[in-house]
Amino acid sequence: KAGVTQTPRYLIKTRGQQVTLSCSPISGHRSVSWYQQTPGQGLQFLFEYFSETQRNKGNFPGRFSGRQFSNSRSEMNVSTLELGDSALYLCASSLEGGRSNQPQHFGDGTRLSIL
Amino acid sequence: GESVGLHLPTLSVQEGDNSIINCAYSNSASDYFIWYKQESGKGPQFIIDIRSNMDKRQGQRVTVLLNKTVKHLSLQIAATQPGDSAVYFCAENIQGAQKLVFGQGTRLTINP
Repeated sequence: KAGVTQTPRYLIKTRGQQVTLSCSPISGHRSVSWYQQTPGQGLQFLFEYFSETQRNKGNFPGRFSGRQFSNSRSEMNVSTLELGDSALYLCASSLEGGRSNQPQHFGDGTRLSIL
Repeated sequence: GESVGLHLPTLSVQEGDNSIINCAYSNSASDYFIWYKQESGKGPQFIIDIRSNMDKRQGQRVTVLLNKTVKHLSLQIAATQPGDSAVYFCAENIQGAQKLVFGQGTRLTINP
């Protein structure tokens, strides 16, 4: 069974640009979550999607957004990029999530560098 | 369990010894806990989980202990091997939400 796939693996952008990252969950998984990982802040929750709806959201500005498609694939978008957005962006999927307490499985992330 | 700071705690152990990695979590409403292993250039890899109605759970070479009284979680790795070198994170899941809150991580290094 294929794991969580994230594309692209690496991305370089400049300040003010926008970026879209993609995530394909494990087959059959319907919940997709996004996390930002930086050396200073560690792993921080961005948002979670289930059945094309955002169910949970972390404490990030509105420049960070996401969506989920009917096949459970998800994208996240960051607009008006800032230097501080340089990070590893991780996607995780689980069967259903919520009250069912199932483990999230992570992809290897997209490394975003802002120049 | 909120991630803080730049400096990861480090644990160095001899190959073949047992490793114990500790984690304090913050939210009494957390009902599910997970340990992840992250190797350089990769995403976190699921190791073992435990629900709040349990004190202990064992996997292959790993054991997780949960002490809800003091909000403490530990991961024990038996007979540590070079391949165990990585950063280990504990994560707590807030009840009713699919939202993991991660600890700061511990870097485990294995001495030959």
